[in-house]
Amino acid sequence: QQQVKQSPQSLIVQKGGISIINCAYENTAFDYFPWYQQFPGKGPALLIAIRPDVSEKKEGRFTISFNKSAKQFSLHIMDSQPGDSATYFCAASRGTSGTYKYIFGTGTRLKVLA
Amino acid sequence: DTGVSQDPRHKITKRGQNVTFRCDPISEHNRLYWYRQTLGQGPEFLTYFQNEAQLEKSRLLSDRFSAERPKGSFSTLEIQRTEQGDSAMYLCASSSLAVNGELFFGEGSRLTVL
Repeated sequence: QQQVKQSPQSLIVQKGGISIINCAYENTAFDYFPWYQQFPGKGPALLIAIRPDVSEKKEGRFTISFNKSAKQFSLHIMDSQPGDSATYFCAASRGTSGTYKYIFGTGTRLKVLA
Repeated sequence: DTGVSQDPRHKITKRGQNVTFRCDPISEHNRLYWYRQTLGQGPEFLTYFQNEAQLEKSRLLSDRFSAERPKGSFSTLEIQRTEQGDSAMYLCASSSLAVNGELFFGEGSRLTVL
């Protein structure tokens, strides 16, 4: 019940295209769903996050779509750029007294071709 | 605010040796987390502290691993009698109640056990 399944494992997109990464979770107690971006040799950095009381959240070119009944959420990167080439991780957690222990997906390596 | 700082960034050691990693969180953050990331995988939770108290440890954290956070400031993660399977990136993250849910990660300490 603690797993977060992420797909695809890798993704190649043309510049200007839309990148879509999907995640599914099992534990209905999860209440915080962030996406992290990681460049080689760097630590993960928060990109965007959503809570289950909304179905969509948009920040610039990045959008999270959330389907509570299906226990799925996805990241959409619009107008993908070569600088977006990185590994993306979805995660899920349950905030307990302000402490968030993330369960991460296995990551998606995105390459945006110029 | 310089972010989460980890030291050393890289450590190469021989099997059986002890190693220690240090993490300096963002100064006002009272929660500190340790994660382990192996190649091609998402980070896995190891342990976390609220102030100086270690509140949870993953079963991934064998008896050879010990973490401390004296005085609720920096933290150390020590691995005794290292094994080749300990080779990984060790990530530290911190968070505060003011930014609920977001973990700020350091750039990690990469351990290679020969």
